[in-house]
Amino acid sequence: EVQLVESGGGLVQPGRSLRLSCAASGFTFDDYAMHWVRQVPGKGLEWVSGISWNNSTRDYADSVKGRFIIARDNTKNSLYLQMNSLRSEDTALYYCAKDRRPTGEGGMDVWGQGTTVTVSS
Amino acid sequence: SYELTQPHSVSVSPGQTASITCSGDKLRGKYAYWYQQKPGQSPLLVIYQDTKRPSGIPERFSGSNSGNTATLTISGTQAMDEADYYCQAWGSGVYVFGTGTKVTVL
Repeated sequence: EVQLVESGGGLVQPGRSLRLSCAASGFTFDDYAMHWVRQVPGKGLEWVSGISWNNSTRDYADSVKGRFIIARDNTKNSLYLQMNSLRSEDTALYYCAKDRRPTGEGGMDVWGQGTTVTVSS
Repeated sequence: SYELTQPHSVSVSPGQTASITCSGDKLRGKYAYWYQQKPGQSPLLVIYQDTKRPSGIPERFSGSNSGNTATLTISGTQAMDEADYYCQAWGSGVYVFGTGTKVTVL
């Protein structure tokens, strides 16, 4: 079964850091680009960051550029999101998603259930 | 910035056709993707590369893209199609989602 399972969410104070993880199974992880997408409850989807199959390309939304770092470990079939200098507006449900193509631009055909990040003092 | 605009809501009677538009200047020449999201669930890809359906997506879902507007069409809409729908496009290394459309089947 193709599956993505996120973890690492929680309550964190503004200005602190948090690291999200996504464990992939059921497909050849290093054949595809991967992404993080977030959603504030009751609001729309926001693409956060994406990484190519071989780590060579990493892209970020303007809202997180310079604060978040995406990474992957193909030996562990895992995707990560290091979130630094967190702000209240980063509060959201964070989804891990698989791209249909190795370098992106293929659409996201597999999604996890998400992990919740709450930034509050 | 890169913005994709969708109607806030669309209402349709069972068995009728629902059309959802997605507009943005930078959609021109780019592929459009469409996602369905039901309450409490993760998004589901229903259309990729403007017109293609992933395996398992019913034939009543179709897409088109012309100029700066992409359209998702649901023919013979069923009650189970009631959901939020988001368009998406890729450009200059980043993905952008549309504002989202709530489809209500009356």
